[in-house]
Amino acid sequence: QLQLQESGSGLVKPSQTLSLTCAVSGGSISGGGYSWNWIRQPPGKGLQWIGYIFHSGNTHYNPSLKSRVTISVDRSKNQFSLKLSSVTAADTAVYYCAREIGGSKFDYWGQGTLVTVSS
Amino acid sequence: QSALTQPASVSGSPGQSITISCTGTSSDVGSYNLVTWYQQHPGKAPKVIIYEVTKRPSGVSNRFSGSKSGNTASLTISGLQAEDEADYYCCSYAGSYTSVLFGGGTKLTVL
Repeated sequence: QLQLQESGSGLVKPSQTLSLTCAVSGGSISGGGYSWNWIRQPPGKGLQWIGYIFHSGNTHYNPSLKSRVTISVDRSKNQFSLKLSSVTAADTAVYYCAREIGGSKFDYWGQGTLVTVSS
Repeated sequence: QSALTQPASVSGSPGQSITISCTGTSSDVGSYNLVTWYQQHPGKAPKVIIYEVTKRPSGVSNRFSGSKSGNTASLTISGLQAEDEADYYCCSYAGSYTSVLFGGGTKLTVL
């Protein structure tokens, strides 16, 4: 059974960079034509797709966040990571990592991790 | 690339049927049969209940069904049960530039 687990700092100061990692277990990040995604959900609000990476390293980001987002993959550790720069309070959210099998179908999700942006 | 439009809330009594709409544009919902519906209980990650507009993953109750007409996709839940009370999100592929769009979410209350 594939499992995803987010980790990283839960508190980030405004203007700094948010960094999260998603560890994948029960399967290889290099296997199959899946994309590995980051999705966030501000408290009490809806879901927003942030971006994805393939095991090849190819990435694609939400145009509204593109200038601040970097997603990378570490195949040796079977994990992928998110960096979001110049954060503000509006970036406070639960951040999820998820596997997409194609066509907007995210079939495996991490449990989510709350990141708060505050001084 | 605005979010897809869903009603903020719907409600129904046990045993009844409800329908949640998801309105997009000709660039997303209307162009692709790649709409997914997610169910999210409080404090949990979303779960796929419908994909590719009408398909149900194994293990998902046949009380859940999906459809699409033009730029609007719909999720119908029949025979409402207390456990169906949750937030529901639609999601559509939106082309190679935008990639994926989510709806704003609909809170289902079972009365």
